[in-house]
Amino acid sequence: AQKVTQAQTEISVVEKEDVTLDCVYETRDTTYYLFWYKQPPSGELVFLIRRNSFDEQNEISGRYSWNFQKSTSSFNFTITASQVVDSAVYFCALSEREAAGNKLTFGGGTRVLVKP
Amino acid sequence: ETGVTQTPRHLVMGMTNKKSLKCEQHLGHNAMYWYKQSAKKPLELMFVYNFKEQTENNSVPSRFSPECPNSSHLFLHLHTLQPEDSALYLCASSQDGVQQPQHFGDGTRLSIL
Repeated sequence: AQKVTQAQTEISVVEKEDVTLDCVYETRDTTYYLFWYKQPPSGELVFLIRRNSFDEQNEISGRYSWNFQKSTSSFNFTITASQVVDSAVYFCALSEREAAGNKLTFGGGTRVLVKP
Repeated sequence: ETGVTQTPRHLVMGMTNKKSLKCEQHLGHNAMYWYKQSAKKPLELMFVYNFKEQTENNSVPSRFSPECPNSSHLFLHLHTLQPEDSALYLCASSQDGVQQPQHFGDGTRLSIL
């Protein structure tokens, strides 16, 4: 069965510090997709990035970067030079090619608090 | 209007009431989802609809009844709920396919008295 673990439940940093969120997944499928979502206090989950299992290139988008390591089943997310607006809960998620109903399995989320 | 819209944003109801949550998407997607988000628990998938057909019912109690009249609208009918059903209910939509990202609404914060 697929499983996503985000071991860090809460991280508190001071503005301009870097913060890395860990995500470890389990799957028996060879084709799968990994996602990161951001949930600000307003409640809506905002899609940040998708990565498929055959693409291990790291990606950078502005202050956000992602490190996909298939060998360790990890898909970590780093926010560089954090800002107060980055305060939110961040979710890592996994879907498998063979999953019925477009099923997406979420990790427990990591709450990031950026203090001014 | 774009994106995924959920109404109401907040709902307080007694255990014997009947109410409905509404979700509407303007993204041209053909899959829609209901999730439950409780405090200190992971997001729980409740129902999935693809092309108006229910493809997933994740062992949800019958007091929750989904309805999908067309690809743009999704309802969650509530009846005789329990206090433990108090949670944030999130609707999402996507194109069909496990590789497609899901787009979420703001959610309905439900409180059961």
